[in-house]
Amino acid sequence: QMTQSPSSLSASVGDRVTITCQASQDIGNNLNWYQQKPGKAPELMIYYASNLRTGVPSRFSGSGSGTYFSFTISSLQPDDFATYYCQRVDTFGQGTKLEIK
Amino acid sequence: EVQLVESGGDFIQPGGSLRLSCGAFGFTFSTSNMNWVRQAPGKGLEWVSAISGSGEDTFYADSVKGRFTISRDNSKNTLSLQMNSLRAEDTATYYCAKRIDNRGKTYYMDVWGTGTTVTVSS
Repeated sequence: QMTQSPSSLSASVGDRVTITCQASQDIGNNLNWYQQKPGKAPELMIYYASNLRTGVPSRFSGSGSGTYFSFTISSLQPDDFATYYCQRVDTFGQGTKLEIK
Repeated sequence: EVQLVESGGDFIQPGGSLRLSCGAFGFTFSTSNMNWVRQAPGKGLEWVSAISGSGEDTFYADSVKGRFTISRDNSKNTLSLQMNSLRAEDTATYYCAKRIDNRGKTYYMDVWGTGTTVTVSS
């Protein structure tokens, strides 16, 4: 089970935001992060906790291991307002909807 | 270009059957494990089913076990999901996704299709 928080987040362009995902047991670094925009398919952003997918801007980062993981956007851009999901194997977090303040 | 294209979504009555397809382009399909993931309207992502590259190994979420069957035709680079005994709660957008597996213990999904919509309603 993956517990993702917060479920929603309101922020402004330029803000630093962090989303967390907690596993019910030690999962090592086996945690991935996806971005989904309305009406679109999810897109991989970070794999194995901290690896930035090629082509994803460096303002995105991931960290953590074991049971606690975080996903950070260092300086929000207008294109970043979307819903973010963590995933481990066949389990997704509940999602975090990032909205413009 | 690496691409997945789903088709087959439709409006169907409860108890009915539907077959979804996913065409794969631009990568070696036969060596890629694949997933189906769905998303009910306004809800989060739910893993549905997985299949190994050879097609020998298949896996299902408890919510669809016994009703859905995943398969693949590597000669046609096509993934399928046969959906029987459909229920209202199966209403969702269905995505196929290509997996990058790590020694059979974990994976991430690096390519997703655009999705096909299934609506189950009387």
